[in-house]
Amino acid sequence: TQLLEQSPQFLSIQEGENLTVYCNSSSVFSSLQWYRQEPGEGPVLLVTVVTGGEVKKLKRLTFQFGDARKDSSLHITAAQPGDTGLYLCAGVPSPGNTPLVFGKGTRLSVIA
Amino acid sequence: KAGVTQTPRYLIKTRGQQVTLSCSPISGHRSVSWYQQTPGQGLQFLFEYFSETQRNKGNFPGRFSGRQFSNSRSEMNVSTLELGDSALYLCASSLEWAGKETQYFGPGTRLLVL
Repeated sequence: TQLLEQSPQFLSIQEGENLTVYCNSSSVFSSLQWYRQEPGEGPVLLVTVVTGGEVKKLKRLTFQFGDARKDSSLHITAAQPGDTGLYLCAGVPSPGNTPLVFGKGTRLSVIA
Repeated sequence: KAGVTQTPRYLIKTRGQQVTLSCSPISGHRSVSWYQQTPGQGLQFLFEYFSETQRNKGNFPGRFSGRQFSNSRSEMNVSTLELGDSALYLCASSLEWAGKETQYFGPGTRLLVL
């Protein structure tokens, strides 16, 4: 069974600080997705990374896929209260056509 | 375009009862996946349906079942409820299979088993 470990589990920071969330596995994934989930809602896809070493930027969010496609990170610059939520990574196992594997999530709280 | 809708949003049941949850996917989406989300275990895959056929099944007991109708709407059923079944049940739809296409999640059904 392929597993994704996310760290940290909880993170509380002040507005304006930077942070990094990690998603690690001993298994290779064909692609990796990051979601954000807010209370009372389902997860919303932020980005999909496909190529080993790939870096994608979404405004203040930077996503990186490890060279070996076993790990990923999400870096937020100058966090804002609107960034508060549960961040989930999900891997598409290699080979494809198998269900996504989700990490347990990182709960981020940004205090104004 | 309307998003994924799930009904009911909240449900309270007692041990031993059964429950049926409903999911209406985004129009044109043929794949529907179900997940169970708990604080301890996170998001766990239950099953995926595509064109009325179960394509994948997660590691859950046979008390958990589902089906998909010709209009792509899906239902999941949990029989003989246990306290540990209390969770947020999420449905997600996509054009093709979940690993290939973007999944869009509904708001979930929060089930409390007493």
